[in-house]
Amino acid sequence: AQSVTQPDIHITVSEGASLELRCNYSYGATPYLFWYVQSPGQGLQLLLKYFSGDTLVQGIKGFEAEFKRSQSSFNLRKPSVHWSDAAEYFCAVGGDNWGKLQFGAGTQVVVTP
Amino acid sequence: EADIYQTPRYLVIGTGKKITLECSQTMGHDKMYWYQQDPGMELHLIHYSYGVNSTEKGDLSSESTVSRIRTEHFPLTLESARPSHTSQYLCASSMSSYNEQFFGPGTRLTVL
Repeated sequence: AQSVTQPDIHITVSEGASLELRCNYSYGATPYLFWYVQSPGQGLQLLLKYFSGDTLVQGIKGFEAEFKRSQSSFNLRKPSVHWSDAAEYFCAVGGDNWGKLQFGAGTQVVVTP
Repeated sequence: EADIYQTPRYLVIGTGKKITLECSQTMGHDKMYWYQQDPGMELHLIHYSYGVNSTEKGDLSSESTVSRIRTEHFPLTLESARPSHTSQYLCASSMSSYNEQFFGPGTRLTVL
């Protein structure tokens, strides 16, 4: 069965500092991997995705993620966070014929001045 | 830009009422999904559809039902709402099984 683990429930980071959010997955076949961001009271917005090819993927808002098959990880990074990056971040894995996604529990990011 | 809409955005109703949450997309996507999300928690798939007249139950058991009569429309219905149905409901669509899902803004349902 597929599963996604986001070990950090909550992260506090200073504005301008770097950010890394961890994501580990378990999936029997070649996974499709996604990072979504959710602001309070809103739906989810896609930050980036990995299907194949280059293992370092660039996304919107200055985010990037690296797929490491040997570690079953897909960590999200940003070199310098902005106050507007405060939100909930979800990692997801998919790849079945129905397009179903398995989401992690999310990481809440708080940005301090 | 993804065009997927949900109405209402917020709904407060009493126990026993029948409700329908609307979801529409203008992208012509075949795949559509309903998720349930409690505050600060992960998303759980409750229904999905891979085309007109096809619907399936998701991984999380739900008392709700769905229909897919038109490609663009995927409403969710609760015949008799209960306080345990209080949650946020998110609708999503996808071009195919191997593409990302686009999400609507969600409906926050409160059943008193």
